[in-house]
Amino acid sequence: GESVGLHLPTLSVQEGDNSIINCAYSNSASDYFIWYKQESGKGPQFIIDIRSNMDKRQGQRVTVLLNKTVKHLSLQIAATQPGDSAVYFCAENPLGYKLSFGAGTTVTVRA
Amino acid sequence: DTEVTQTPKHLVMGMTNKKSLKCEQHMGHRAMYWYKQKAKKPPELMFVYSYEKLSINESVPSRFSPECPNSSLLNLHLHALQPEDSALYLCASSQVGVVEKLFFGSGTQLSVL
Repeated sequence: GESVGLHLPTLSVQEGDNSIINCAYSNSASDYFIWYKQESGKGPQFIIDIRSNMDKRQGQRVTVLLNKTVKHLSLQIAATQPGDSAVYFCAENPLGYKLSFGAGTTVTVRA
Repeated sequence: DTEVTQTPKHLVMGMTNKKSLKCEQHMGHRAMYWYKQKAKKPPELMFVYSYEKLSINESVPSRFSPECPNSSLLNLHLHALQPEDSALYLCASSQVGVVEKLFFGSGTQLSVL
């Protein structure tokens, strides 16, 4: 699979490979860290979240990892499919009443 | 029904026009939001309604006027906009206090000429 050690704006992945999207967050006071997926022409769609007292959470084909020591969040997608092509945003809720979104990573799946 | 419906999908308006964006959800959510998204940028919060009352205004210019006529509907009234207001306007809803899980509509792509 492919991964990026630092946040990069784009990621190209071969269909069937695993992909890892990274995000650095800034505020240790956030209760939740969340990943959203935005496909072309659509609004963002909730994928998975993780509470600040957890290190790992798994969903269907996705895993979110939280490293509070280095303020790092990652989303792993297993067996990447063409339908996974989208912009992925990490988000946190440092103030409790609103989300603060990261810059976004555009994932392109190669056939 | 887990949909948030926004109309219109596209809107072109002049700087002297008055127009309205509409948003509807039937998930029983009592928190509704307006976000603005520029191309290739993350969404930025504009307004939050909680139990049909405006709870958050993120210092948005008065040419944007939100309205929540009932628990299912959210409007954004536009007047005397500037070309730099051209963007995708997204509506979202959630359970009150569950800000981490927002349900977004597909947005209205607004162009101000």
